[in-house]
Amino acid sequence: GQQLNQSPQSMFIQEGEDVSMNCTSSSIFNTWLWYKQDPGEGPVLLIALYKAGELTSNGRLTAQFGITRKDSFLNISASIPSDVGIYFCAGSNTGNQFYFGTGTSLTVIP
Amino acid sequence: GAGVSQTPSNKVTEKGKYVELRCDPISGHTALYWYRQSLGQGPEFLIYFQGTGAADDSGLPNDRFFAVRPEGSVSTLKIQRTERGDSAVYLCASSSSPFSGYTFGSGTRLTVV
Repeated sequence: GQQLNQSPQSMFIQEGEDVSMNCTSSSIFNTWLWYKQDPGEGPVLLIALYKAGELTSNGRLTAQFGITRKDSFLNISASIPSDVGIYFCAGSNTGNQFYFGTGTSLTVIP
Repeated sequence: GAGVSQTPSNKVTEKGKYVELRCDPISGHTALYWYRQSLGQGPEFLIYFQGTGAADDSGLPNDRFFAVRPEGSVSTLKIQRTERGDSAVYLCASSSSPFSGYTFGSGTRLTVV
């Protein structure tokens, strides 16, 4: 199956700092999604990207669809404690089967 | 309902037993998905339903796994002769259209002892 690698694997940051994480694939995708997962819960959709080069924001979150179509990036500005969780990227060419990354675990220190 | 509902939330079973996991999608969502998430990993695709039919079951690991959605709403994932390696969180999701991203349920944590 497709392999999506996320980096960093984990991050420990101070409240108020900005965060950057990325996701790379061995294959191209025409759709990228970013999800956040809290312990004991299912992933929650944050941002969807549909076009190479596209930059989309959702509040303090901004994500970009890489121009090679093999990568995507997520930035979080002015982090707050509730940003804690695991962030997953997911890519698809069919819209129905998404391949998920390995996750980036974010810890925000107050 | 307001969200995707999965029952039970936790299931412990003995190796070799049969289990059923239930998913109640968001009302009106025609697409339903099952994923499996092992500890420390991202979700892995199992099967996708469009209406009552399984449109893509390429992710089912072997013939011990089977899923149905007889009336195009509730779905049941069935696992026969469970093995310890089947232990994982089984996530169900639904969506109103392709590419729009899913709404996931909270999952069923299956432990095979």
